[in-house]
Amino acid sequence: KNEVEQSPQNLTAQEGEFITINCSYSVGISALHWLQQHPGGGIVSLFMLSSGKKKHGRLIATINIQEKHSSLHITASHPRDSAVYICAVFTGNQFYFGTGTSLTVIP
Amino acid sequence: GAGVSQSPSNKVTEKGKDVELRCDPISGHTALYWYRQSLGQGLEFLIYFQGNSAPDKSGLPSDRFSAERTGGSVSTLTIQRTQQEDSAVYLCASSFQGRIYEQYFGPGTRLTVT
Repeated sequence: KNEVEQSPQNLTAQEGEFITINCSYSVGISALHWLQQHPGGGIVSLFMLSSGKKKHGRLIATINIQEKHSSLHITASHPRDSAVYICAVFTGNQFYFGTGTSLTVIP
Repeated sequence: GAGVSQSPSNKVTEKGKDVELRCDPISGHTALYWYRQSLGQGLEFLIYFQGNSAPDKSGLPSDRFSAERTGGSVSTLTIQRTQQEDSAVYLCASSFQGRIYEQYFGPGTRLTVT
């Protein structure tokens, strides 16, 4: 059993659509991260959450600690958002990663 | 300033040989992390160094893997007696002390074991 599960695995959207990527985890965490991996392989840290909601530009991340669930939303999606989005949790001494959601935004 | 750098960018080695992968973190970053990403697989955490504290090695996949960090800066990940299943991209990241959520990733070393 994976400690972190993401859904969907693959997602194709039309430009402008609202996108939601889900992450569920089974371990006790001190923080949850959302990462973005570009087609060339580079990884960027998007958000760290320990509670509530964070917004950065068109990206919104929420977490429900009781339900052990987080969502990443992208509003007004754009082709440059095409990437793999990875959910990661930190337990205090270990990171666990989801397998990623591959997003393709079509113009 | 420069980002996280890793060397070599690509490494092809024969099964059974030892390899060393190097990571140069961003200057001033006291935390350093190693990850592995196998083809078609997700990221796998290996080890992280937090300042001068001894690292938690429980994420290393076998005793053939070891990591050092000299002088609180450069880190080397060593894989002894490489196996084909070690083929992966090895990623290094660094951050300021305690700021695990602001990790800056290096470009990775692509290791191929033949």
